[in-house]
Amino acid sequence: GESVGLHLPTLSVQEGDNSIINCAYSNSASDYFIWYKQESGKGPQFIIDIRSNMDKRQGQRVTVLLNKTVKHLSLQIAATQPGDSAVYFCAENIPVTGNQFYFGTGTSLTVIP
Amino acid sequence: NAGVTQTPKFRVLKTGQSMTLLCAQDMNHEYMYWYRQDPGMGLRLIHYSVGEGTTAKGEVPDGYNVSRLKKQNFLLGLESAAPSQTSVYFCASSLAQKSWGNYGYTFGSGTRLTVV
Repeated sequence: GESVGLHLPTLSVQEGDNSIINCAYSNSASDYFIWYKQESGKGPQFIIDIRSNMDKRQGQRVTVLLNKTVKHLSLQIAATQPGDSAVYFCAENIPVTGNQFYFGTGTSLTVIP
Repeated sequence: NAGVTQTPKFRVLKTGQSMTLLCAQDMNHEYMYWYRQDPGMGLRLIHYSVGEGTTAKGEVPDGYNVSRLKKQNFLLGLESAAPSQTSVYFCASSLAQKSWGNYGYTFGSGTRLTVV
């Protein structure tokens, strides 16, 4: 299968600080990426997506950056809150696979009050 | 709007027993998927379906069977459970066409299965 990896398995930040979660993907043909948030005991929830023809996309308190040159994604969370504590996954879609996504192992974010 | 509903939420099986996990979605999605999630492994695709009456193998299909007799339901079966199948199972559904915003999946809340 495809390799989608995360640089850091765990991340701790102070409440109010900005968080940056990184992700490396391996297939240069991937044209669509999603970040998911998974809280304990729940299924993954969509956060934000980006297509390969973009470098940056912003949502509410979140920004995704895409660097196709080095096949790297990052998720930035502004003013991190305790409710942001969760595991964050990136996922990539390769066009030839249809709707199949390949998921990274996740980064566990802990927000310290 | 319930989204994706999985039943049961928890189950303990003895080695060799069989069971069926049920996934139901009310979003009229064409595509449905079964994943397993293990510590440090991320989500791995077991089987998927691109429409009623169709199924296909994913990355880790061995030991599992699926059926999609109705568009809204996707069943995952374990014929003879093994301890290696202890995991959290997630069902997901998606649209067939790419579009902005959650073109990816809508996930269920998971089934935690323990095989002893």
